[in-house]
Amino acid sequence: GENVEQHPSTLSVQEGDSAVIKCTYSDSASNYFPWYKQELGKGPQLIIDIRSNVGEKKDQRIAVTLNKTAKHFSLHITETQPEDSAVYFCAASSRGMRFGAGTRLTVKP
Amino acid sequence: EAGVAQSPRYKIIEKRQSVAFWCNPISGHATLYWYQQILGQGPKLLIQFQNNGVVDDSQLPKDRFSAERLKGVDSTLKIQPAKLEDSAVYLCASSPLAPGVYSGNTIYFGEGSWLTVV
Repeated sequence: GENVEQHPSTLSVQEGDSAVIKCTYSDSASNYFPWYKQELGKGPQLIIDIRSNVGEKKDQRIAVTLNKTAKHFSLHITETQPEDSAVYFCAASSRGMRFGAGTRLTVKP
Repeated sequence: EAGVAQSPRYKIIEKRQSVAFWCNPISGHATLYWYQQILGQGPKLLIQFQNNGVVDDSQLPKDRFSAERLKGVDSTLKIQPAKLEDSAVYLCASSPLAPGVYSGNTIYFGEGSWLTVV
C-alpha cells in the first residue's frame, strides 16, 4: 500500500519568512496530492491540492510542487504570518488516501 | 453549504466500556470515511463507505470496532470494548465521489470526536 513520509516534523520561522514542507510517497499509481491544515481542536482543512498531470500549483501565498519521477511533493508558504501556525499534513491518493505524520509550523511574530 | 457534522465532540469512558460516534456527511456526498488520529500523528483510515457499501475496512480492528451506514447517509462508529490505546480523535470525512471513480477526490473533514479511555 501507499506510504507517505513527511519532513520536517517541526518547523519554526520568523514572520515574513518562507516555509517549506516536503513529502515523499511510495505508490507510483498515486495521482492526487492534497495538503491539509489542522488547528488545535479542529479537523483538517484542505488548503491546496495538485493532481499528477500538473507540476506546480499556486494560490496566493501557498504553492505546491510535484515531482512524479522522484515521487515527492512540497508545500511552500511565502510571507508567513502568525495565523499560519498550525499542523500541516500531506497526503497521497491512489486506491485510498494516506497521510503523512504532520509538520507543526510555528510562525514567530 | 453545511460541513460534516459529528457528535459527540468529547467523550471520556473507562476501559472495557463501549462508545458510539455519529456522523452526518455533506449533503450529496457518496463517500464517507472514518479516520483515527492519535495525538501527534496523521489521520489513519479505519473504514471507507461508498453509499452504504464498504469499500475499504482493511485497517479496522474488527474485534472491537464496527461501523455502519445504513441508508447511505449518516454513519455510526462503535467501539466495544474500548482499550486505553483507543484514545484518539475520530474524524469523519466525506467526498463527492462519483460511482466508478475511486481516487483523486477531495475529502472534507468534520471537527472530530475526541475520545479519552481511562
